[in-house]
Parts: sequence; structure tokens; C-alpha cells
Amino acid sequence: GQQLNQSPQSMFIQEGEDVSMNCTSSSIFNTWLWYKQEPGEGPVLLIALYKAGELTSNGRLTAQFGITRKDSFLNISASIPSDVGIYFCAGRVGSQGNLIFGKGTKLSVKP
Amino acid sequence: ETGVTQSPTHLIKTRGQQVTLRCSSQSGHNTVSWYQQALGQGPQFIFQYYREEENGRGNFPPRFSGLQFPNYSSELNVNALELDDSALYLCASSPLPLAASSYEQYFGPGTRLTVT
Repeated sequence: GQQLNQSPQSMFIQEGEDVSMNCTSSSIFNTWLWYKQEPGEGPVLLIALYKAGELTSNGRLTAQFGITRKDSFLNISASIPSDVGIYFCAGRVGSQGNLIFGKGTKLSVKP
Repeated sequence: ETGVTQSPTHLIKTRGQQVTLRCSSQSGHNTVSWYQQALGQGPQFIFQYYREEENGRGNFPPRFSGLQFPNYSSELNVNALELDDSALYLCASSPLPLAASSYEQYFGPGTRLTVT
């Protein structure tokens, strides 16, 4: 079945540093979504991307929909302690619409 | 505006039992999806309901079933529970059905199911 390869699996960074994570797939997606999940909570939508090449920002977060439609990346600038959590990419394939999730990137920020 | 709510928060069941999980969608949302999230994994799509009918299903056996009610709330039922069913079950609502060009899903906090 379709799979999303998300990397890195985990990151340990210093407060103030920039962060970059990405997702790749062998399948073409027509929507990419980025979510953040904190312990005991459901995933929270951060950014939604709908067009190949689209670059979208949400505060310190920036995400891009790859031109090949098989990848996406998420950047976080000037990280702060509350950025801690697990970040998931999710893709939607064709007309089916159900989301396929990556395994997540666990972000730890040291004050 | 009320977000997605789920009940119960936690549940412990014995193998072979049946369980019902509940979800209330965000105000104005008519589509509900259910996901299973095993420890250390991303959520996996179970199925989606739109206008009280199943509108897409993932790779889950028939003992996973659901309902959507006229007020757009939903239930997930799992029969003959197995140990591997232990997971966080997430409900997500969206204002549009699966095939819409604009597609955003908003998740509830989940129900943690433990099967012993």
C-alpha cells in the first residue's frame, strides 16, 4: 500500500535553532497536510497544501508541496520550548480522500 | 464554536469483548472519519461517514463498524476485540466529504483503548 517516509525520526535542538523535516512517497498526492501532536492530545492541523509548488506559512512555520507531488517539507524557524511534540505529515491520494500519515518526527527543544 | 469531542477518554476491555466509542463533530462539520493510532505510529484510516453513510474505508476487517447520526455525531464499534486493537482511536471531522478539492480534517483528543 501507499507509504509516507518521514524524516528525521527524532530531533534534539537548542531553543532558537531552525528545524527542517520532510516526507517523501513513491505515490503522487494531491493534498499534503502537516499536523502536530502533543501527549494525550489528538493531532492539530498546522498547514494544508493543495497545489504542487505551493509554499505556505503559518507564523514561524513554513511548508512546501513538492513539484513532483511526491514530497513535502516543513520548516520551523527560531524554535521555542512549546514547539515540542510529534509532527506528522499526511497525504491525500486521488479522489479517495482518506489521509495517509507518516510515522512522525519527534521534536525536543532544549531551553 | 465547539471542537471535536470524544468519549470515553480511556477504556479497558478484555479480549473477545465489544466496545463502542463516541464522537461529536465540530460545529458545522458533516463528515466524520475514524483513525487508529498504535503507539509510536501515525494514525491509520479506518473509515469515513458522510450524510449517515460510509463513504470510504481503510484496510480494517468488518468487525470494525460505525454509525453517523442526523446531528453528525458518530460511533465506532469494534467486535471480538483482539490484543492488537489496543491503540488510540481518533475521530476527525471536516466540513466537506472525501473527494472535495479542499480538504482539512480536525481531530478530537482520542480514546485510549487497552485490550487485555
